Amino acid sequence: EPEVTQTPSHQVTQMGQEVILRCVPISNHLYFYWYRQILGQKVEFLVSFYNNEISEKSEIFDDQFSVERPDGSNFTLKIRSTKLEDSAMYFCASSRTGGITYEQYFGPGTRLTVT
Amino acid sequence: KQEVTQIPAALSVPEGENLVLNCSFTDSAIYNLQWFRQDPGKGLTSLLLIQSSQREQTSGRLNASLDKSSGRSTLYIAASQPGDSATYLCAVNTPGNMLTFGGGTRLMVKP
Repeated sequence: EPEVTQTPSHQVTQMGQEVILRCVPISNHLYFYWYRQILGQKVEFLVSFYNNEISEKSEIFDDQFSVERPDGSNFTLKIRSTKLEDSAMYFCASSRTGGITYEQYFGPGTRLTVT
Repeated sequence: KQEVTQIPAALSVPEGENLVLNCSFTDSAIYNLQWFRQDPGKGLTSLLLIQSSQREQTSGRLNASLDKSSGRSTLYIAASQPGDSATYLCAVNTPGNMLTFGGGTRLMVKP
């Protein structure tokens, strides 16, 4: 069964460094998403992406964050200058399309630790 | 702003019991509602999706209901097993295709 994959599974970085989290969505899906979950807190929406552009973003997704689909398969989240409070599990998700019918499928997550 | 609440936060039951997990949301303008399972330190596994026009969805021992007008959904698990132990999350999909999650119910099923 097709699944969303994410790499790396765990990333440790120093404050102020740039990180890129990678995701391979399900191949025939058109909508892509990033969510994050700080330890012990709710899963929070960051951004949705469709047709090579951001369709929605939350207040969390400030200028330090960017997303890109560099080729036909990968979808990346870049954090330009990491802060301690960026430490979280980051989940990528994809859906066949938007709207009422299609569910979002999540990857296993990347645990980001900022020291 | 959409708010999603799940009650109870934690639940411990003996194996074989039927149980109900509750989810409530504040804004009824939703596309659909998804129930997920999350094992410790792992990703989210989609269990069921209910479209906004539907009242119920079933998958195996799971049955989810949706009352959009009152902003409520329930997840019914029949004949619980130790392997059902996990955190169960509900999430509402609002226009814009962003999921808003509840805080989850941590379920422990004891043998």
